[in-house]
Amino acid sequence: AQTVTQSQPEMSVQEAETVTLSCTYDTSESNYYLFWYKQPPSRQMILVIRQEAYKQQNATENRFSVNFQKAAKSFSLKISDSQLGDTAMYFCAFKNRDDKIIFGKGTRLHILP
Amino acid sequence: DSGVTQTPKHLITATGQRVTLRCSPRSGDLSVYWYQQSLDQGLQFLIQYYNGEERAKGNILERFSAQQFPDLHSELNLSSLELGDSALYFCASSPQGTSLGYGYTFGSGTRLTVV
Repeated sequence: AQTVTQSQPEMSVQEAETVTLSCTYDTSESNYYLFWYKQPPSRQMILVIRQEAYKQQNATENRFSVNFQKAAKSFSLKISDSQLGDTAMYFCAFKNRDDKIIFGKGTRLHILP
Repeated sequence: DSGVTQTPKHLITATGQRVTLRCSPRSGDLSVYWYQQSLDQGLQFLIQYYNGEERAKGNILERFSAQQFPDLHSELNLSSLELGDSALYFCASSPQGTSLGYGYTFGSGTRLTVV
């Protein structure tokens, strides 16, 4: 069974700093997608970034980028120039051909003014 | 507005009761997924429907059931409610059942409180 592990339950950083959230996963599949979702205090789930396993190039969306290490089954999220609005719970997630997304337990990120 | 509509937003009910949560997927999306998020926990997959048919089941209790109707809206029925069923229930949708690269679009959730 696939699993997603986020080893950092909670983190705090100063505004404008860069922060990296860790995620590891376990699968025997070769083709899959990885996602980072953001859940702000409003509780809405928002897709931040996605990465296809077959693509070696790391995905980037504005201030958000990933470090995808397929052999190590690692998928970390880097937030540059962090803003107060980045304060949220961040979930790493995995999806394979079963079309079911499996989420990690999340990392609560606090951006401090 | 994500395009996925969940009603009601909040629900308070007593133990032993039965409730129905409703979800309308984003226009054009055929797949509907239900997740449960307990306090400060991750999202646990409950069940998936694709174009009216059940496609996958997660750790869904026997007291819970769901269906997807011809107009593609879905309902999650929770019966014999217990205190531990208190959680945020999310519905999500995606365009196709087998489109690997699509993330889900989530609704805003239904907050269920069992007292």
